[in-house]
Amino acid sequence: KQEVTQIPAALSVPEGENLVLNCSFTDSAIYNLQWFRQDPGKGLTSLLLIQSSQREQTSGRLNASLDKSSGRSTLYIAASQPGDSATYLCAVNTGANSKLTFGKGITLSVRP
Amino acid sequence: NAGVTQTPKFQVLKTGQSMTLQCAQDMNHEYMSWYRQDPGMGLRLIHYSVGAGITDQGEVPNGYNVSRSTTEDFPLRLLSAAPSQTSVYFCASSYSFDAGANVLTFGAGSRLTVL
Repeated sequence: KQEVTQIPAALSVPEGENLVLNCSFTDSAIYNLQWFRQDPGKGLTSLLLIQSSQREQTSGRLNASLDKSSGRSTLYIAASQPGDSATYLCAVNTGANSKLTFGKGITLSVRP
Repeated sequence: NAGVTQTPKFQVLKTGQSMTLQCAQDMNHEYMSWYRQDPGMGLRLIHYSVGAGITDQGEVPNGYNVSRSTTEDFPLRLLSAAPSQTSVYFCASSYSFDAGANVLTFGAGSRLTVL
């Protein structure tokens, strides 16, 4: 059974810092991996999707990498801002029909 | 473009009552799904559908029923609510159920409390 781990559960950084959020998964036979953002009381917003054949994806200040063989993904946030404060979740797709397995998320707080 | 719309946003039920959480999408998405989010447990898949008339179980289907009579709608029914079903429920959809191509769009969530 696929398990997705995100450590630490919470992170607090000063504004402007570059930071890395980690995600690990136990079964390397994945179709893709997604990073989501969730603001308090809101739904999830997809940030980046990396196909199994890709190594990384970039969107603005965000860069996500994937190392399938080691079961790891990282989300790099450059020049963090208070508006980046949210919970970041990674999810892997290991089967047909888009059944995602989610990590529990990392709650990020960026201090002004 | 409304995206994925969930109603109601909040609901309080008594144990044993039944209710339906509504989910509608206007993007002509083939794939729709229901997740529940609980503290310390993350999001878990309840049921999903790959097209009208086709549904299947996810990780935690017990106590829930779904149907997909149209492409747009995917309601989640609680047959006899239990306190263990207190949770935040999210509906999500994607253009294709092809695992290699999809990006999920989530609704804003429905917060359910069962007393």
